[in-house]
Amino acid sequence: GENVEQHPSTLSVQEGDSAVIKCTYSDSASNYFPWYKQELGKGPQLIIDIRSNVGEKKDQRIAVTLNKTAKHFSLHITETQPEDSAVYFCAASKGAQKLVFGQGTRLTINP
Amino acid sequence: SQTIHQWPATLVQPVGSPLSLECTVEGTSNPNLYWYRQAAGRGLQLLFYSVGIGQISSEVPQNLSASRPQDRQFILSSKKLLLSDSGFYLCAWTTANTGELFFGEGSRLTVL
Repeated sequence: GENVEQHPSTLSVQEGDSAVIKCTYSDSASNYFPWYKQELGKGPQLIIDIRSNVGEKKDQRIAVTLNKTAKHFSLHITETQPEDSAVYFCAASKGAQKLVFGQGTRLTINP
Repeated sequence: SQTIHQWPATLVQPVGSPLSLECTVEGTSNPNLYWYRQAAGRGLQLLFYSVGIGQISSEVPQNLSASRPQDRQFILSSKKLLLSDSGFYLCAWTTANTGELFFGEGSRLTVL
């Protein structure tokens, strides 16, 4: 089955700097790669996703890149702000099948 | 628009007591429904998923069970709670064709 590895487990950056979180997946048939943000005590919220027919997708300060050959995808947050502090999860799946999640990255933005 | 409701939000239960967590989805029909558990500081563990009324698949053997009595209702239960059942329980749904997963706000269970 699919296995998703996520790094780093914790990340601390200065406000205004960029943050990058990386994930690798094992099943080359996976074609859907979402990213979730979880604030303390709340359920994860979908922030951006990418499908395997594109290599990059941007939404304001957030971007996701996908390298199908290497089977890895990354989340990029630019101009970080204190409200970006949260736990971020990557995931992978084949179509509408069950998502497999990474272990999460705790991102802290230092003022 | 679609919404997902989950309750209770917090629960403190003694060891050996029963459990019932309920989840309902509004604004969609025939969703796929999921129960996840998140231990403190850990990732998301899939417990159960359902593709239709009365259809339950278990991912992890344990003393929990799930039921789907109606199309948009998903219930997580236990007859006798263990200390290890403590955690943050999340209900989620997807449509069958997109795979986009949407979570509820979670239920924090503490077993003492």
